[in-house]
Amino acid sequence: NAGVMQNPRHLVRRRGQEARLRCSPVKGHSHVYWYRQLPEEGLKFMVYLQKENIIDESGMPKERFSAEFPKEGPSILRIQQVVRGDSAAYFCASSLRQGDQPQHFGDGTRLSIL
Amino acid sequence: AQTVTQSQPEMSVQEAETVTLSCTYDTSESNYYLFWYKQPPSRQMILVIRQEAYKQQNATENRFSVNFQKAAKSFSLKISDSQLGDTAMYFCAFDSGAGSYQLTFGKGTKLSVIP
Repeated sequence: NAGVMQNPRHLVRRRGQEARLRCSPVKGHSHVYWYRQLPEEGLKFMVYLQKENIIDESGMPKERFSAEFPKEGPSILRIQQVVRGDSAAYFCASSLRQGDQPQHFGDGTRLSIL
Repeated sequence: AQTVTQSQPEMSVQEAETVTLSCTYDTSESNYYLFWYKQPPSRQMILVIRQEAYKQQNATENRFSVNFQKAAKSFSLKISDSQLGDTAMYFCAFDSGAGSYQLTFGKGTKLSVIP
Protein backbone atom coordinates (compact mmCIF):
# COMPACT_ATOMS: atom_id res chain seq x y z
CA ASN A 1 0.00 0.00 0.00
CA ALA A 2 1.43 3.32 -1.02
CA GLY A 3 1.57 5.98 1.63
CA VAL A 4 1.19 9.69 1.06
CA MET A 5 3.17 10.66 -2.02
CA GLN A 6 4.52 14.14 -2.43
CA ASN A 7 6.35 15.52 -5.40
CA PRO A 8 8.69 16.93 -6.13
CA ARG A 9 10.96 16.20 -3.15
CA HIS A 10 12.96 19.31 -3.89
CA LEU A 11 11.84 22.39 -5.80
CA VAL A 12 13.95 25.40 -6.61
CA ARG A 13 12.34 28.61 -7.77
CA ARG A 14 13.50 32.15 -8.38
CA ARG A 15 11.78 35.03 -6.68
CA GLY A 16 8.56 35.93 -8.48
CA GLN A 17 7.98 32.49 -9.98
CA GLU A 18 5.18 30.10 -9.11
CA ALA A 19 5.59 26.91 -7.10
CA ARG A 20 3.20 23.97 -7.37
CA LEU A 21 3.46 21.21 -4.80
CA ARG A 22 1.56 17.95 -5.25
CA CYS A 23 0.21 15.50 -2.75
CA SER A 24 -1.43 12.15 -3.45
CA PRO A 25 -3.06 10.84 -0.26
CA VAL A 26 -3.16 7.27 0.91
CA LYS A 27 -5.52 5.35 -1.37
CA GLY A 28 -9.06 5.80 -0.14
CA HIS A 29 -8.28 8.82 2.02
CA SER A 30 -10.37 11.86 1.22
CA HIS A 31 -9.01 14.25 3.86
CA VAL A 32 -5.77 16.13 3.19
CA TYR A 33 -3.82 18.49 5.43
CA TRP A 34 -0.92 20.74 4.51
CA TYR A 35 1.73 21.82 7.00
CA ARG A 36 4.72 24.12 6.62
CA GLN A 37 8.02 23.72 8.43
CA LEU A 38 10.21 26.79 8.47
CA PRO A 39 13.92 26.30 9.26
CA GLU A 40 14.53 25.36 12.89
CA GLU A 41 10.80 25.17 13.59
CA GLY A 42 8.11 22.56 14.08
CA LEU A 43 5.37 21.96 11.56
CA LYS A 44 2.54 24.47 11.41
CA PHE A 45 -0.90 23.75 10.05
CA MET A 46 -1.85 25.55 6.86
CA VAL A 47 -4.99 24.13 5.32
CA TYR A 48 -7.40 21.21 5.51
CA LEU A 49 -9.25 19.97 2.43
CA GLN A 50 -11.73 17.30 1.58
CA LYS A 51 -12.43 16.31 -1.99
CA GLU A 52 -13.34 19.50 -3.86
CA ASN A 53 -13.76 21.51 -0.64
CA ILE A 54 -11.55 23.68 1.51
CA ILE A 55 -12.62 23.08 5.09
CA ASP A 56 -10.16 25.24 7.00
CA GLU A 57 -7.51 27.53 5.56
CA SER A 58 -6.90 29.50 8.73
CA GLY A 59 -3.18 28.70 8.75
CA MET A 60 -2.54 29.70 5.17
CA PRO A 61 -1.32 33.20 4.25
CA LYS A 62 -4.09 35.21 2.63
CA GLU A 63 -1.96 36.41 -0.24
CA ARG A 64 -0.25 34.29 -2.92
CA PHE A 65 -1.13 30.90 -1.39
CA SER A 66 -3.95 28.64 -2.58
CA ALA A 67 -4.82 24.97 -2.28
CA GLU A 68 -7.13 22.59 -4.03
CA PHE A 69 -8.10 18.94 -3.89
CA PRO A 70 -10.02 18.11 -7.04
CA LYS A 71 -12.34 15.18 -7.53
CA GLU A 72 -9.69 13.47 -9.60
CA GLY A 73 -5.96 13.82 -9.06
CA PRO A 74 -3.69 15.01 -6.30
CA SER A 75 -4.05 17.91 -3.94
CA ILE A 76 -2.10 20.97 -5.07
CA LEU A 77 -0.57 23.69 -2.94
CA ARG A 78 0.18 26.66 -5.12
CA ILE A 79 2.39 29.59 -4.20
CA GLN A 80 2.42 32.52 -6.58
CA GLN A 81 5.18 35.11 -6.86
CA VAL A 82 7.40 33.29 -4.40
CA VAL A 83 9.63 35.22 -1.99
CA ARG A 84 12.68 34.15 0.01
CA GLY A 85 10.52 33.69 3.11
CA ASP A 86 8.58 30.92 1.39
CA SER A 87 11.66 28.69 1.62
CA ALA A 88 10.53 25.82 3.82
CA ALA A 89 9.57 22.17 3.86
CA TYR A 90 5.92 21.58 3.01
CA PHE A 91 4.32 18.42 4.32
CA CYS A 92 1.07 16.81 3.34
CA ALA A 93 -0.86 14.38 5.51
CA SER A 94 -4.03 12.42 4.90
CA SER A 95 -6.67 10.54 6.82
CA LEU A 96 -9.67 8.38 6.05
CA ARG A 97 -12.01 10.45 8.19
CA GLN A 98 -11.81 13.85 9.81
CA GLY A 99 -10.12 13.60 13.14
CA ASP A 100 -8.54 10.20 12.49
CA GLN A 101 -5.18 9.96 14.18
CA PRO A 102 -2.43 9.58 13.44
CA GLN A 103 -2.42 11.41 10.19
CA HIS A 104 -0.18 9.77 7.61
CA PHE A 105 2.56 12.15 6.49
CA GLY A 106 4.32 12.30 3.17
CA ASP A 107 8.06 12.86 2.89
CA GLY A 108 7.61 16.56 2.23
CA THR A 109 8.68 18.97 -0.49
CA ARG A 110 11.64 21.20 0.26
CA LEU A 111 11.14 24.51 -1.48
CA SER A 112 14.16 26.72 -1.99
CA ILE A 113 13.86 30.24 -3.32
CA LEU A 114 16.88 31.76 -5.01
CA ALA B 1 -5.30 27.82 21.74
CA GLN B 2 -3.14 24.85 22.48
CA THR B 3 0.61 25.23 22.86
CA VAL B 4 3.36 22.63 22.93
CA THR B 5 6.73 23.40 24.51
CA GLN B 6 9.93 21.46 24.10
CA SER B 7 12.46 23.11 26.36
CA GLN B 8 15.54 21.20 25.17
CA PRO B 9 16.70 22.44 21.75
CA GLU B 10 19.54 19.91 21.64
CA MET B 11 20.54 16.79 23.52
CA SER B 12 23.15 14.11 23.17
CA VAL B 13 23.44 10.58 24.50
CA GLN B 14 26.02 7.84 24.35
CA GLU B 15 25.15 4.81 22.30
CA ALA B 16 23.34 2.15 24.40
CA GLU B 17 22.44 4.68 27.08
CA THR B 18 18.99 6.04 27.95
CA VAL B 19 17.77 9.56 27.23
CA THR B 20 14.57 11.43 28.08
CA LEU B 21 13.14 14.23 25.97
CA SER B 22 10.74 16.67 27.61
CA CYS B 23 7.45 18.05 26.38
CA THR B 24 4.80 20.12 28.11
CA TYR B 25 1.55 21.35 26.67
CA ASP B 26 -1.29 23.63 27.54
CA THR B 27 -4.93 22.82 26.88
CA SER B 28 -8.37 23.04 28.42
CA GLU B 29 -9.50 19.85 26.68
CA SER B 30 -9.85 16.58 28.56
CA ASN B 31 -9.80 13.96 25.81
CA TYR B 32 -6.92 14.50 23.45
CA TYR B 33 -3.99 12.77 21.79
CA LEU B 34 -0.27 13.26 22.10
CA PHE B 35 2.41 12.10 19.72
CA TRP B 36 6.14 11.97 19.30
CA TYR B 37 7.43 12.22 15.74
CA LYS B 38 10.98 11.55 14.60
CA GLN B 39 12.49 13.54 11.74
CA PRO B 40 15.83 12.12 10.59
CA PRO B 41 18.13 14.04 8.23
CA SER B 42 16.09 12.67 5.32
CA ARG B 43 13.31 14.96 6.60
CA GLN B 44 10.58 12.31 6.70
CA MET B 45 8.06 12.58 9.54
CA ILE B 46 7.95 9.23 11.30
CA LEU B 47 5.44 8.52 14.03
CA VAL B 48 7.27 7.11 17.06
CA ILE B 49 4.52 6.76 19.64
CA ARG B 50 1.05 8.01 20.50
CA GLN B 51 -0.87 8.40 23.74
CA GLU B 52 -4.59 8.84 24.28
CA ALA B 53 -5.27 11.15 27.22
CA TYR B 54 -8.05 8.95 28.58
CA LYS B 55 -5.62 6.05 29.00
CA GLN B 56 -3.73 6.05 32.28
CA GLN B 57 -1.22 3.50 31.08
CA ASN B 58 1.88 4.94 29.48
CA ALA B 59 2.38 3.95 25.84
CA THR B 60 5.37 1.79 24.91
CA GLU B 61 6.83 0.86 21.53
CA ASN B 62 9.91 -1.33 21.80
CA ARG B 63 12.73 0.94 23.04
CA PHE B 64 10.47 4.00 23.17
CA SER B 65 8.18 4.78 26.06
CA VAL B 66 6.44 7.83 27.41
CA ASN B 67 5.84 9.28 30.84
CA PHE B 68 2.41 10.89 30.56
CA GLN B 69 1.50 13.10 33.49
CA LYS B 70 -1.95 14.45 32.69
CA ALA B 71 -2.31 16.73 35.70
CA ALA B 72 1.08 18.27 35.06
CA LYS B 73 0.45 18.37 31.29
CA SER B 74 3.73 16.67 30.67
CA PHE B 75 4.56 14.07 28.03
CA SER B 76 8.19 12.99 27.99
CA LEU B 77 9.77 10.44 25.66
CA LYS B 78 12.29 7.92 26.95
CA ILE B 79 14.59 6.18 24.51
CA SER B 80 16.35 3.14 25.94
CA ASP B 81 19.45 1.48 24.51
CA SER B 82 20.03 4.43 22.19
CA GLN B 83 21.21 3.56 18.69
CA LEU B 84 23.01 5.64 16.09
CA GLY B 85 19.88 5.54 13.95
CA ASP B 86 18.00 7.40 16.66
CA THR B 87 19.90 10.56 15.74
CA ALA B 88 17.16 12.93 14.55
CA MET B 89 14.90 15.82 15.42
CA TYR B 90 12.08 14.77 17.73
CA PHE B 91 8.81 16.66 17.73
CA CYS B 92 6.09 16.47 20.32
CA ALA B 93 2.60 17.04 18.88
CA PHE B 94 -0.88 17.55 20.27
CA ASP B 95 -4.32 16.88 18.85
CA SER B 96 -7.29 18.18 20.81
CA GLY B 97 -9.50 15.28 19.74
CA ALA B 98 -13.29 15.54 19.26
CA GLY B 99 -12.91 15.45 15.50
CA SER B 100 -10.23 18.10 15.36
CA TYR B 101 -7.70 17.84 12.60
CA GLN B 102 -4.95 20.29 13.42
CA LEU B 103 -1.82 18.91 14.96
CA THR B 104 0.09 21.43 17.07
CA PHE B 105 3.82 20.77 17.12
CA GLY B 106 6.59 21.83 19.44
CA LYS B 107 9.80 23.33 18.06
CA GLY B 108 11.66 20.07 18.37
CA THR B 109 14.66 18.60 20.15
CA LYS B 110 17.74 17.67 18.15
CA LEU B 111 19.06 14.37 19.50
CA SER B 112 22.55 13.19 18.69
CA VAL B 113 23.60 9.65 19.58
CA ILE B 114 27.36 9.48 20.09
CA PRO B 115 29.24 6.28 19.29
